[in-house]
Amino acid sequence: EIVLTQSPATLSLSPGERATLSCRASQSVSSYLAWHQQKPGQAPRLLIYDASNRATGIPARFSGSGSGTDFTLTISSLEPEDFAVYYCQQRSSWPLTFGGGTKVEIK
Amino acid sequence: EVQLVESGGGLVQPGGSLRLSCAASGFTFSNYDMNWVRQAPGKGLEWVSYISSASNTIYYADSVTGRFTVSRDNPKNSLYLQMNSLRDEDTAVYYCARDWSYWGQGTLVTVSS
Repeated sequence: EIVLTQSPATLSLSPGERATLSCRASQSVSSYLAWHQQKPGQAPRLLIYDASNRATGIPARFSGSGSGTDFTLTISSLEPEDFAVYYCQQRSSWPLTFGGGTKVEIK
Repeated sequence: EVQLVESGGGLVQPGGSLRLSCAASGFTFSNYDMNWVRQAPGKGLEWVSYISSASNTIYYADSVTGRFTVSRDNPKNSLYLQMNSLRDEDTAVYYCARDWSYWGQGTLVTVSS
């Protein structure tokens, strides 16, 4: 099973600041990595698929990079609605796995 | 508009059974693979099961193998998860998801005596 480790667990930032979230895989997932955003009481929402492709309707301030075992989600300038929990997820091999999440909170 | 609506959740005793449904609309259901994902209260996301569009490929997480069965009825645009021998640790919100772009709102399963 591929283990995804996200860091940091919590990121305390102010609106307008840049957020950098990390996801490290225990073995290569090639580019088969996605990022999801989840707000309290809501279903997750796909942000990025295949490491660097924004999903439909996702603002350009969200970008993804990386391949192999190291991936980054960057939010260039935090908007109030971006404070949420972010999960990475791999679809390279079964079982599919999610990272433990990074909570982006208002400082 | 793509919609996924889960139902069938509720309170069940340990050892009991429950069948979840996911009603799909707004797209050609028979063309898409589907997944079930769950989230225990206050915890992260856990993938549960996958079924291909024609039901010829199925996968399960180790934690549910032998107890859960995924199925689909393409003419009825519906996805199912039959859950048997339920345990306390199966308590979670269960989501269906289509190619990760679309998620349902989830249905809560509580396993407790």
